[in-house]
Amino acid sequence: DVKVTQSSRYLVKRTGEKVFLECVQDMDHENMFWYRQDPGLGLRLIYFSYDVKMKEKGDIPEGYSVSREKKERFSLILESASTNQTSMYLCASSLEAGYIQYFGAGTRLSVL
Amino acid sequence: EDQVTQSPEALRLQEGESSSLNCSYTVSGLRGLFWYRQDPGKGPEFLFTLYSAGEEKEKERLKATLTKKESFLHITAPKPEDSATYLCAVRGNSGNTPLVFGKGTRLSVIA
Repeated sequence: DVKVTQSSRYLVKRTGEKVFLECVQDMDHENMFWYRQDPGLGLRLIYFSYDVKMKEKGDIPEGYSVSREKKERFSLILESASTNQTSMYLCASSLEAGYIQYFGAGTRLSVL
Repeated sequence: EDQVTQSPEALRLQEGESSSLNCSYTVSGLRGLFWYRQDPGKGPEFLFTLYSAGEEKEKERLKATLTKKESFLHITAPKPEDSATYLCAVRGNSGNTPLVFGKGTRLSVIA
């Protein structure tokens, strides 16, 4: 079974803090994704990566950056957290960009 | 631009009351349609992939069907444990692009 692990289930941060969300997958997948999910808005793609050190902007990249130094690890960075970044963050991986995505359990981030 | 619309937004059923969830899509050359189940506070869990019109997939009380414009997730004699949000996603023909997700249908099954 594919396993996608997100480092934290719950995080509470202060406005202006730098926040790192980590994601690791164990299936040697080429593609990894970061989404945020808010009530009524569904899943929104923040960034994705189709290869090590490669990244592509999704639909809502503003206020976020990413890092992919190793194939199995994809990090989402909030450079200066703001209250409107309070959300559920989901990481996913897939063999190809348009193929089955396997999701982690999610990180619920609260920015106070 | 690829689009996915799911209806209804929310559905409340009595245990044993069969129904269907709808996923309408607009895509340039469908290369796959995906159904996921998401429990509260958890990540989506993959259920099915459908590739061509007329295809059907089944798993326990769930059956997914596909036409050229929409997919249905039929739930037969649902139980309370089927309560979840069901997400639909499509893959179009536009190169190396990610799946496009609908906003989901929140299903509640009451005992």
